[in-house]
Amino acid sequence: TQLLEQSPQFLSIQEGENLTVYCNSSSVFSSLQWYRQEPGEGPVLLVTVVTGGEVKKLKRLTFQFGDARKDSSLHITAAQPGDTGLYLCAGAGNTDKLIFGTGTRLQVFP
Amino acid sequence: DTGVSQNPRHKITKRGQNVTFRCDPISEHNRLYWYRQTLGQGPEFLTYFQNEAQLEKSRLLSDRFSAERPKGSFSTLEIQRTEQGDSAMYLCAGGLAGGYEQYFGPGTRLTVT
Repeated sequence: TQLLEQSPQFLSIQEGENLTVYCNSSSVFSSLQWYRQEPGEGPVLLVTVVTGGEVKKLKRLTFQFGDARKDSSLHITAAQPGDTGLYLCAGAGNTDKLIFGTGTRLQVFP
Repeated sequence: DTGVSQNPRHKITKRGQNVTFRCDPISEHNRLYWYRQTLGQGPEFLTYFQNEAQLEKSRLLSDRFSAERPKGSFSTLEIQRTEQGDSAMYLCAGGLAGGYEQYFGPGTRLTVT
């Protein structure tokens, strides 16, 4: 069974701080996606990484896929209150269904 | 806005009743996925379609659950004889065969009393 573990589960920081969220597995994934979800809404796709070692940047967000395609990280620089939300990583393995991590709930205070 | 719509957004039902949810992906999406998300957890895969063919079903999908995509466009998910444990957010997502991305709708929140 493929599992994705995210850490930390909760993160509460002040505006302007930097943070990193980790997504780890013992399984290899063909691709990995990061989503952000607001309460009562569906997840919104932020990025897809496919190649081991790949790094993608989206404004203040930097995503990295591990060399072995088993893990990923999301780094946010100078967090803002608008970054508040639930961050989910999701991996695709042998089939196209997504295996989601348990999520990291981020709260950024002004 | 991903263009994926779900109806209803909220459903409250009594235990034992049947409920049906609908998902409308954008026309380009030949793949359609259903997931279930309980409070504090990430979404869990239920089933997916390519066009009208149901290609995979999770073991989570008991005999009380059935999904259809009759014309390869919209899809319905029906739960018969609902139980309190069925209370969750039901999410659908559209995508393309061979593509990596899945685009989620806003979800249907089911509460079984």
